[in-house]
Amino acid sequence: EVQLVESGGGLVQPGGSLRLSCAASGFSVSGKYMSWVRQAPGKGLEWVSVIYSGGSTFYADSVKGRFTISRDNSKNTLYLQMNSLRGEDTAVYYCARDAYSAGYYFDYWGQGSLVTVSS
Amino acid sequence: QSVLTQPPSVSAAPGQKVTISCSGTSSNIGNNYVSWYQQLPGTAPRLLIYDNDKRPSGIPDRFSGSKSGTSATLGITGLQTGDEADYYCGTWDSSLSAGLLFGGGTKLTVL
Repeated sequence: EVQLVESGGGLVQPGGSLRLSCAASGFSVSGKYMSWVRQAPGKGLEWVSVIYSGGSTFYADSVKGRFTISRDNSKNTLYLQMNSLRGEDTAVYYCARDAYSAGYYFDYWGQGSLVTVSS
Repeated sequence: QSVLTQPPSVSAAPGQKVTISCSGTSSNIGNNYVSWYQQLPGTAPRLLIYDNDKRPSGIPDRFSGSKSGTSATLGITGLQTGDEADYYCGTWDSSLSAGLLFGGGTKLTVL
């Protein structure tokens, strides 16, 4: 059974840093594309970042240069290092497994981890 | 405001049918496949429809998807109170280096 479990969220001051983790089970993160998607309070979904199975990484313009996605294959875990945090980064962060068939979509999601950026 | 336009809310009575639209352009829906996600209150999104009209295993056939031109539609028949949720469409957009573009979401109320 595929499971994704996020951790690491919390309250951080503007300008601070936080690292989110997403522990996967039922498949290997190294063999899949993996993404982070966030949802600000009362708002819709926003794709944040992806790491491809080959290791290439991509970011939304809103987080480029501040966030870094990575994975540890030995721990089967995905990470999101968030630096220079701003109030507008306040959101629930979901890790999601990417899937491809004819199109591209997210077939499994974690339960989410709340990040609050406030002084 | 999202590039993909969804109605903010729709409502219908239990047992009835409802449709949720997702309008885009040739840069996104017009030339790419659409997926739909259901987000029950306080929970994570769940994949409902992929490749415009395919259901993952475990999703009842009350849920259906279609696409025509630059618009996509999610249909739900035999509405149940448990279907009350936010629904999001998603697709690739040529402006993206990677990732998925989401619609703004539609709140379904089952009266």
